[in-house]
Amino acid sequence: EVQLVESGGTLVQPGRSLRLSCTASGFTFDDYAMSWFRQAPGKGLEWVGFIRSNSYGGTTEYAASVKGRFTISRDDSKSIAYLQMNSLKTADTAVYYCSRLITAAGLSDFWGQGTLVTVSS
Amino acid sequence: DIELTQSPGTLSLSPGERATLSCRASQSVSLNYLAWFQQKPGQAPRLLIYGASSRATGIPDRFSGSGSGTDFTLTISRLEPEDFAVYFCQQYGRSPRTFGQGTKVEIK
Repeated sequence: EVQLVESGGTLVQPGRSLRLSCTASGFTFDDYAMSWFRQAPGKGLEWVGFIRSNSYGGTTEYAASVKGRFTISRDDSKSIAYLQMNSLKTADTAVYYCSRLITAAGLSDFWGQGTLVTVSS
Repeated sequence: DIELTQSPGTLSLSPGERATLSCRASQSVSLNYLAWFQQKPGQAPRLLIYGASSRATGIPDRFSGSGSGTDFTLTISRLEPEDFAVYFCQQYGRSPRTFGQGTKVEIK
């Protein structure tokens, strides 16, 4: 059974950093690209970015709203994808979800349950 | 960026009725890479439809998707109690991947 579990969400002050983890199980993690999304309270879904599998260079793409502040990485030996978030803003407050991407176009088929990040002083 | 506009914002229907949800794109969606997701409160999104019209694994056949280019539709033929939720469309053919703002299907 495919499972994705996000962790690391907490209350953090503006300007600080935080790293989220997405621990995968039930599939061969190395073979898949992974993506992060977020959902602010009462709002819709927003794509944050994704990382390709190392077979495709492990390259990344990001939304303009987080580019230069957020970094996605992966540790295939541990089946974990990370979201490093720096220079956090109050507007980054959201539930953060990771998902597995299938197809060359990057369709999200399975999602984790999410982890809440609150940026507030 | 491709902007997706969903309508209506809220759909009030009774169990057994047909639901028709619309998603309109500001420009053509590459290769009809358009997906529909269902989300219930406190839960992760669940993939229903991909490629505009293909049902994901395990999705009941009362859910169907149609459309191409800039106009897409999700139809739920007969609403079951568990179908009352928020539905999002997403284009995944071009970065940035974008979502519609969602349609809430509520019990009338």
